[in-house]
Amino acid sequence: DADVTQTPRNRITKTGKRIMLECSQTKGHDRMYWYRQDPGLGLQLIYYSFDVKDINKGEISDGYSVSRQAQAKFSLSLESAIPNQTALYFCATSATRGSNEQFFGPGTRLTVL
Amino acid sequence: GDSVTQMEGPVTLSEEAFLTINCTYTATGYPSLFWYVQYPGEGLQLLLKATKADDKGSNKGFEATYRKETTSFHLEKGSVQVSDSAVYFCALFYGNNRLAFGKGNQVVVIP
Repeated sequence: DADVTQTPRNRITKTGKRIMLECSQTKGHDRMYWYRQDPGLGLQLIYYSFDVKDINKGEISDGYSVSRQAQAKFSLSLESAIPNQTALYFCATSATRGSNEQFFGPGTRLTVL
Repeated sequence: GDSVTQMEGPVTLSEEAFLTINCTYTATGYPSLFWYVQYPGEGLQLLLKATKADDKGSNKGFEATYRKETTSFHLEKGSVQVSDSAVYFCALFYGNNRLAFGKGNQVVVIP
């Protein structure tokens, strides 16, 4: 079973709709992250959370919000989707102590029409 | 701010050829450096890492050496296979426990 799962894997929606992407992990990590990937731009950090009570903005948080419902769950919301939010979204986790390695989910491909 | 720069453009090469992907970094202090690989349709996974100057990370035939003098962490493999076709990202771990990623390089290995 995958350690970091994301749902849905693919989503097509329309401009103005509210969308939630969900991430769950069984690794027992405290730290969770949301990234978006655009062709030729690498990964950009949207939000991150170091524990259930901690939420931090990343480089490109405008238009997004997050919720850390539990240690294992971290969801990303687009309150009113727009076409330039079409991208591949990844969730990642890491341990509080250790090698600083981040473990990634399989990604959600979001298309906003 | 802290950042990494990868060479521009995709890399296409024949099976058994030598692969090099350049990565340079800008950082205060001595950050940990990583190479991640993304196979088609999958998330990123750690390929190798180095945590201090002159460290050599290695895995699956890939190597990269942390060069403080040239602020570089170039990825190399002596003989690539078709299964190495993927996107490769250089990354730097910096303050506040965050990773900064390069833009990635698509590698296509032709049989």
